Amino acid sequence: QVQLKESGPGLVQPSETLSLTCTVSGFSLTSYSVSWVRQPSGKGPEWMGRMWYDGDTAYNSALKSRLSISRDTSKNQVFLKMNSLQTDDTGTYYCTRDLTALAYWGQGTLVTVSS
Amino acid sequence: DVVMTQTPVSLSVSLGGQVSISCRSSQSLVHNNGNTYLSWYLQKPGQSPQLLIYKVSNRFSGISDRFSGSGSGTDFTLKISRVEPDDLGVYYCGQGTQYPYTFGAGTKLELK
Repeated sequence: QVQLKESGPGLVQPSETLSLTCTVSGFSLTSYSVSWVRQPSGKGPEWMGRMWYDGDTAYNSALKSRLSISRDTSKNQVFLKMNSLQTDDTGTYYCTRDLTALAYWGQGTLVTVSS
Repeated sequence: DVVMTQTPVSLSVSLGGQVSISCRSSQSLVHNNGNTYLSWYLQKPGQSPQLLIYKVSNRFSGISDRFSGSGSGTDFTLKISRVEPDDLGVYYCGQGTQYPYTFGAGTKLELK
């Protein structure tokens, strides 16, 4: 069945770079797109960006200068890198399988930005 | 960016009752290809959001027919009939027509 799982550090220092990995199973990254979505505690989700099935990318313009999404299809992994983290980047980060809607979500990984 | 406005912010319902949640977008969600990419998600406490409805009115795999979506253009509604305990949580509408994809602030469904 379709599964996505996020992994990465739970704590990041202010001004540092966040690196997250989404490992997928049950589908091919060359057939489906994967989006990253984050959610501050108690607030609504925020779409960050997408890795298209053909390798192209799309980013939220509010984050574009700090954000990079890449993939390794041989390992079934999608990567997120975001630099210059601040405290308001704290929240739960999800990867999702993305077609006409965000159909499948990972369990999420909590990222706290704090010194 | 397309702003998604959900009302009400919270709802109290009795088990077995019916509720409606409204979602309005600041721009039409009709894509150039003719599709309208408006979705509804439910986030239960401590869980990831789950897709309920996509393209306005299509139920996702395994979703009960107690959930129905309707609307067009900029006005959309999610109806839940015969509310069950497992329906409680926060409901979000989201649009995928225009980048960046955006979500409403959520409607919390609680028991009366």
